[in-house]
Amino acid sequence: DAKTTQPPSMDCAEGRAANLPCNHSTISGNEYVYWYRQIHSQGPQYIIHGLKNNETNEMASLIITEDRKSSTLILPHATLRDTAVYYCIVRPSPGNTPLVFGKGTRLSVIA
Amino acid sequence: NAGVMQNPRHLVRRRGQEARLRCSPMKGHSHVYWYRQLPEEGLKFMVYLQKENIIDESGMPKERFSAEFPKEGPSILRIQQVVRGDSAAYFCASSRDRGNSPLHFGNGTRLTVT
Repeated sequence: DAKTTQPPSMDCAEGRAANLPCNHSTISGNEYVYWYRQIHSQGPQYIIHGLKNNETNEMASLIITEDRKSSTLILPHATLRDTAVYYCIVRPSPGNTPLVFGKGTRLSVIA
Repeated sequence: NAGVMQNPRHLVRRRGQEARLRCSPMKGHSHVYWYRQLPEEGLKFMVYLQKENIIDESGMPKERFSAEFPKEGPSILRIQQVVRGDSAAYFCASSRDRGNSPLHFGNGTRLTVT
């Protein structure tokens, strides 16, 4: 079972920042937070991951609270192509545990 | 760098036939994962393999399904005697190691059983 909680759906205006929340209140010290997205009928796309520090790459920023019980994925300037289901996943490292996908958040970017 | 390559993209089989799905991991990746996504459902883990070894097969159906990742060549997910309920998208992912390296997914094989 997924160890994260995400809202089922969100809307965002094109050009605005999309802030996708995720609760992971039972996260352990060695578990990383990963974000993926799945655009209709394609394979899941890796976005970003982090342990406790905020992370940024060319796609997004990941903000993790100090107690690590929640995080927010930020898409700084959402476009129509960012419409997808976004998954927040926690996974221990090192380890042999696979990624466990929950239901995610369906983000709709609106023109 | 080429990403994770899966073939075929679409596969149609009649009930009772065998389906063989192939996955070539990213260059330098020795860990392979298979996932299944039924229509309108989420991604479900099936099996995790490292070269020549099955590490975790807790998500594999007990019968008709098998997977391998030989020393040379792609990983193969094999479904014997397919039934209509096997119709789904099958995704393969690969990673560099068992640490915190992310998994990278292919675009899947869509199996249709008629």
